[in-house]
Amino acid sequence: QKEVEQDPGPLSVPEGAIVSLNCTYSNSAFQYFMWYRQYSRKGPELLMYTYSSGNKEDGRFTAQVDKSSKYISLFIRDSQPSDSATYLCAMSAGDMRFGAGTRLTVKP
Amino acid sequence: DTEVTQTPKHLVMGMTNKKSLKCEQHMGHRAMYWYKQKAKKPPELMFVYSYEKLSINESVPSRFSPECPNSSLLNLHLHALQPEDSALYLCASSQYNLQEAQYFGPGTRLLVL
Repeated sequence: QKEVEQDPGPLSVPEGAIVSLNCTYSNSAFQYFMWYRQYSRKGPELLMYTYSSGNKEDGRFTAQVDKSSKYISLFIRDSQPSDSATYLCAMSAGDMRFGAGTRLTVKP
Repeated sequence: DTEVTQTPKHLVMGMTNKKSLKCEQHMGHRAMYWYKQKAKKPPELMFVYSYEKLSINESVPSRFSPECPNSSLLNLHLHALQPEDSALYLCASSQYNLQEAQYFGPGTRLLVL
């Protein structure tokens, strides 16, 4: 079993949809949780960073962490074609572990 | 300013060439990283510099040689690479250590012929 599991997709949604991206993990020592967005042939861009269970909101993005279930989510409201990218979850406990990345396409 | 810059953007080199990748950050971060990313895969950690000292080398072949001239700069020297080393090379930085959120540069796309 991998330490961090993320469905690679691809995921395709119509513009305006609510997108839900998820990762599960097995290491209960993970303390810090991040979501990165990576456009094709570009470096990952930090979207959200949290270190506690609960929700964190930033504009159209909401990050959710449930440490008891070892499950994190990223919700994107009112999705736009410009949100089309690969979304990577990452988590750390002394070192960083990335999920495989979910490829998202938002269709106009 | 949360920018990490990398040069060059693209690099093509032969297996006998020597080249260097450069990375710079001005966020005052004390930890800097080199990652390698293959297509449709997550980044793989190669090296970690903490306070300008190499703290982690993830069993990277010696044909990759990192250097940290000062707290803002990170270099990756390349020599005698193989075609399978072709990838996107990413530099990242964080305030103090690997646990924290990292800020990535745009990457250098390397092709080894």
